[in-house]
Amino acid sequence: EAGVVQSPRYKIIEKKQPVAFWCNPISGHNTLYWYRQNLGQGPELLIRYENEEAVDDSQLPKDRFSAERLKGVDSTLKIQPAELGDSAVYLCASQLQTTKDEQFFGPGTRLTVL
Amino acid sequence: AQSVTQPDIHITVSEGASLELRCNYSYGATPYLFWYVQSPGQGLQLLLKYFSGDTLVQGIKGFEAEFKRSQSSFNLRKPSVHWSDAAEYFCAVGAVQAGTALIFGKGTTLSVSS
Repeated sequence: EAGVVQSPRYKIIEKKQPVAFWCNPISGHNTLYWYRQNLGQGPELLIRYENEEAVDDSQLPKDRFSAERLKGVDSTLKIQPAELGDSAVYLCASQLQTTKDEQFFGPGTRLTVL
Repeated sequence: AQSVTQPDIHITVSEGASLELRCNYSYGATPYLFWYVQSPGQGLQLLLKYFSGDTLVQGIKGFEAEFKRSQSSFNLRKPSVHWSDAAEYFCAVGAVQAGTALIFGKGTTLSVSS
């Protein structure tokens, strides 16, 4: 079974440019998370989806970040415009919508903003 | 406030020696506790999890962890470390119900010396 797929794996952009990250969760997983991991820190939640609905986006900086999960499967996270402080690893995780199930993480996208 | 504290930023252990990584948590609800490992350029891999029952849980790669409610701790142990265990280790806490984002500690980097 394929794991969580993310692309691109690495991205380098100039500040003020837009950038998008893509995530394909494990087949059948209803819940999808986007986390941001700053250097030397643990991951922190940006947004959580239950199927196609964003049920927790309280930590998403909505002035520049947006996300979508059309059809409740894969998801895209966008930043426009990017700032220097956005440099981080963006992790996607998916989970079956039942208790006790672990979150499965993708390899992440490492973003560098110059 | 909900939080996870990993007091040790970096630990160096000799190959073959025992290991203990500390984790303390603060959480308002019944906690669901995890240890993840992250190798460079890789996503997070679950080592073990505690939901309920026996407070000593066994994980993959020979790791175990003990939940101590009175101390709000969930320390990770391994009796004999291998060079391939060098990585970053994250302790995380979540609520028992599904679809809850995890709160991660800042991680402990493990180096293994020969």
